[in-house]
Amino acid sequence: DIVMSQSPSSLAVSVGEKVTMSCKSSQSLLYSSNQKNYLAWYQQKPGQSPKLLIYWASTRESGVPDRFTGSGSGTDFTLTISSVKAEDLAVYYCQQYYSYRTFGGGTKLEIK
Amino acid sequence: EVKLVESGGGLVQPGGSLRLSCATSGFTFSDFYMEWVRQPPGKRLEWIAASRNKANDYTTEYSASVKGRFIVSRDTSQSILYLQMNALRAEDTAIYYCARDAVIKGAMDYWGQGTSVTVSS
Repeated sequence: DIVMSQSPSSLAVSVGEKVTMSCKSSQSLLYSSNQKNYLAWYQQKPGQSPKLLIYWASTRESGVPDRFTGSGSGTDFTLTISSVKAEDLAVYYCQQYYSYRTFGGGTKLEIK
Repeated sequence: EVKLVESGGGLVQPGGSLRLSCATSGFTFSDFYMEWVRQPPGKRLEWIAASRNKANDYTTEYSASVKGRFIVSRDTSQSILYLQMNALRAEDTAIYYCARDAVIKGAMDYWGQGTSVTVSS
């Protein structure tokens, strides 16, 4: 099974700051046949269902603000929020779909 | 508008059974993979089951934690996804979400609001 690890487990930032969070997989998520990374990012706000932010590691879902950017390849991935807003308070999960599906443990974003 | 609405959760004793439903609308049900994901209180999301689309003969996949106990199925005439849960354990206590899985994205692009399952005596 592919294991997904996220860091940090939590972080607190001020509005307007830039945030980066990491996701690592136990094996490569890059399919050689199509050169796509089988990784998604989700945002889960308190009391809500998860929401898809990014798929194929770097493709923003329709309607997602452009302050959210996914990057990385192979086993190392990053979600960046360029200028945090108060509404970004949430837990962020990465998820692989290279070998069925596995979620990471999440990064909890708190606003100072 | 795409909608997913789960139902069927509740309190059940260890060893008991429960069937969850996910009523869908706003898209062609047979074209999409459908997934079940659960979240124990205060814990991470856990993928547990999937039903592939018609093009893939509605074949199914399960996580090791539920394989042999849970069964995912579809009523294609009513666009409903089911999760039959048997031999329930305390560790199955969670909010259960159904999600649409868009093959072209490979990710779960629509989620229901979830239904709560508590396994306790």
